[in-house]
Amino acid sequence: AQSVSQHNHHVILSEAASLELGCNYSYGGTVNLFWYVQYPGQHLQLLLKYFSGDPLVKGIKGFEAEFIKSKFSFNLRKPSVQWSDTAEYFCAVITTSGTYKYIFGTGTRLKVLA
Amino acid sequence: GAGVSQTPSNKVTEKGKYVELRCDPISGHTALYWYRQSLGQGPEFLIYFQGTGAADDSGLPNDRFFAVRPEGSVSTLKIQRTERGDSAVYLCASSPMALPNEQFFGPGTRLTVL
Repeated sequence: AQSVSQHNHHVILSEAASLELGCNYSYGGTVNLFWYVQYPGQHLQLLLKYFSGDPLVKGIKGFEAEFIKSKFSFNLRKPSVQWSDTAEYFCAVITTSGTYKYIFGTGTRLKVLA
Repeated sequence: GAGVSQTPSNKVTEKGKYVELRCDPISGHTALYWYRQSLGQGPEFLIYFQGTGAADDSGLPNDRFFAVRPEGSVSTLKIQRTERGDSAVYLCASSPMALPNEQFFGPGTRLTVL
């Protein structure tokens, strides 16, 4: 069965520190990949997505992610975090064949200290 | 414009009771998804609709769970004979087309089964 692993469950950083959140998936076929974010008290919203083409994708608020097919990974990065980035981050995968069922990771809770 | 709305926002019920959770997707969105999110976990896929029909209901945990979308817009998730283990946040998301794409999430319904 397809699955998504997020290795860091809780991350605490100081403002201006660099961020990298890991995401690995298990599926041998073609996938579309997403990162969603949930700010405190808000809905889940899309940060960025990868469908095809350049494996380095840029999203909102200075976030980017790199798809490395050989490693089945789609890690999220930001060079310099801000206090307002405090949120929970979810990686998600959807296969491009069969039914379009999204599989989410367990999430990483990020806290940025001012 | 209006986003995805879910009612009620909170539902407390007793073990064994029947509950209905409602989702109003973004107007014109053809795909609608239901997820369940337990504490410390990512959204867990339950069912997805393409128009009026359930395209994939493989995530429904058992036959106590059922969902409908009779007119291809509003959807209702129905849980019979609720159990304490059903307590979770139930999320609804909609997407503008059949193909894999960004999902727009609602605020969720927090279900507590006493």
